[in-house]
Amino acid sequence: DAKTTQPNSMESNEEEPVHLPCNHSTISGTDYIHWYRQLPSQGPEYVIHGLTSNVNNRMASLAIAEDRKSSTLILHRATLRDAAVYYCILQGAQKLVFGQGTRLTINP
Amino acid sequence: SAVISQKPSRDICQRGTSLTIQCQVDSQVTMMFWYRQQPGQSLTLIATANQGSEATYESGFVIDKFPISRPNLTFSTLTVSNMSPEDSSIYLCSVRDTEYEQYFGPGTRLTVT
Repeated sequence: DAKTTQPNSMESNEEEPVHLPCNHSTISGTDYIHWYRQLPSQGPEYVIHGLTSNVNNRMASLAIAEDRKSSTLILHRATLRDAAVYYCILQGAQKLVFGQGTRLTINP
Repeated sequence: SAVISQKPSRDICQRGTSLTIQCQVDSQVTMMFWYRQQPGQSLTLIATANQGSEATYESGFVIDKFPISRPNLTFSTLTVSNMSPEDSSIYLCSVRDTEYEQYFGPGTRLTVT
């Protein structure tokens, strides 16, 4: 499984945008880039995914570099409820393999 | 979306005993997965539970230790056998009902004393 590299932790302020980076230099042409997050004491939840083009949904935006070797999850206006561990995952086969993720702290 | 429930939500067990964790989904799904999350760690995939066939285990996990059943498209069990304190973890059931989105249960918190 191709690996991803994320910062261990990040901090931001409430109501400000947050940019969570992910490096995946060994990504293959068929790998989708997925983002999940895990709120405290809960199972992970799907955030967004993409292949080549930037993607938007009600939760976040995903910006994918032209060479696909990195991506950025964008939370446009962070709230306290967005405090979680965010996982960037490459999915080629059927299974999701989690890395260590980024622990996001939101300051009020 | 799929709604997943797990039983029990938590348990404290003595070493050497076994615990069976149940996973119930509110819709029929093809792919079910079992994950383990050790304290302070990320999720590790244990196995893929296939309906009507043997589960597919990841490296480091064996059927004798973690037998899995998948009798139908809405239900699966994971047994943690001959438990030791190192098995203390959260065990999560997960399903995929679309090509891209995977759903996770609330987890079963297991403490082995």
